[in-house]
Amino acid sequence: NAGVTQTPKFRILKIGQSMTLQCTQDMNHNYMYWYRQDPGMGLKLIYYSVGAGITDKGEVPNGYNVSRSTTEDFPLRLELAAPSQTSVYFCASSYSSQRGYNEQFFGPGTRLTVL
Amino acid sequence: GQQLNQSPQSMFIQEGEDVSMNCTSSSIFNTWLWYKQDPGEGPVLLIALYKAGELTSNGRLTAQFGITRKDSFLNISASIPSDVGIYFCAGQGVDGRGSTLGRLYFGRGTQLTVWP
Repeated sequence: NAGVTQTPKFRILKIGQSMTLQCTQDMNHNYMYWYRQDPGMGLKLIYYSVGAGITDKGEVPNGYNVSRSTTEDFPLRLELAAPSQTSVYFCASSYSSQRGYNEQFFGPGTRLTVL
Repeated sequence: GQQLNQSPQSMFIQEGEDVSMNCTSSSIFNTWLWYKQDPGEGPVLLIALYKAGELTSNGRLTAQFGITRKDSFLNISASIPSDVGIYFCAGQGVDGRGSTLGRLYFGRGTQLTVWP
């Protein structure tokens, strides 16, 4: 299994540009997540999905959109990039179990700079 | 959102020393997880704790789920240079619909530096 893969690894955007960060997992996990990580701030949840066709906002959803048309893919869309969105973005996935555990597995991250 | 306080923020230790870090929350959690992040990589799960009072080991790592369900600690014994990285605690909370699934809250991390 490749686990969770993310593309691109690095990207520089100009203010106002748009882009999609790709995330794919091959573990048949039903839950998927997008986080952003700013220096010294830990991880903040942007959006998450509990299954294909179902998405929900996290702590910091403004300026982002997501979709979940398949179990494997969970792209994150930035429509009008702003300098405040300069960050490292991590995608994660997990399975649900009868006991409700949530061990999330992370991708390698996308480092985004908005100038 | 739920707040996790992780301490210390950073540690500088000598190879061979033991390390201890902890995480406290204002809310009760059902699950505590500890992750390690190497530079330029995503976090990797080290230990998962599912029951209050649970003590779990993974090699030189030991973690405990506090009895009050509001805290957890991670110990690393006999540190080695490859232990360098950022360690994050995470707690599984409850989302807006009352579900315990799908939400993790992360601490700000403990940056560990090990000198040879």
